[in-house]
Amino acid sequence: DAGITQSPRHKVTETGTPVTLRCHQTENHRYMYWYRQDPGHGLRLIHYSYGVKDTDKGEVSDGYSVSRSKTEDFLLTLESATSSQTSVYFCATMDSNYGYTFGSGTRLTVV
Amino acid sequence: QKEVEQDPGPLSVPEGAIVSLNCTYSNSAFQYFMWYRQYSRKGPELLMYTYSSGNKEDGRFTAQVDKSSKYISLFIRDSQPSDSATYLCAIGTGTASKLTFGTGTRLQVTL
Repeated sequence: DAGITQSPRHKVTETGTPVTLRCHQTENHRYMYWYRQDPGHGLRLIHYSYGVKDTDKGEVSDGYSVSRSKTEDFLLTLESATSSQTSVYFCATMDSNYGYTFGSGTRLTVV
Repeated sequence: QKEVEQDPGPLSVPEGAIVSLNCTYSNSAFQYFMWYRQYSRKGPELLMYTYSSGNKEDGRFTAQVDKSSKYISLFIRDSQPSDSATYLCAIGTGTASKLTFGTGTRLQVTL
């Protein structure tokens, strides 16, 4: 997906460990988002950012924190991973026409 | 009741068929209506976007919005095996800075 890089692409971690997922964009978009995607639930918003150091919660923010110290980077941290946080995580940006561009996703497994 | 309801399918059709995918929503404040296509193990990609009632056409795809019924549709004409994917509706208010996604409908187009 042009302009958005998510890392890592896959991760397996143990319950109770902290995990940080990274999203990097090259298009200088103001809005960035973290979603999780689970069967039967679709895409659910975790947190979003509307500028450097400006972030807000989404509908499933418990257990997650975010940081945005630069326009191009948006980090998602699971402070203490739980099995319920096993999911596919997508980062997205919004362009000036309100279209969202998604990254390729990070597949996280908490064991 | 979810803000956006979408039949998860799966929907299986023969090549060349006309496909109709639908979502209903509950919040009359929604103004932006989008359809995303997601191939397996990929991020969603924007297909169609509209902010008014009526039809919008792009090649084989037509997006239809009926705000009075709170009902949106995506029609695919002359469906192809390459159209096999999950289709997600997404709806937003105001600046569309926060989209609400349907759970997605999985479509299989068979030869």
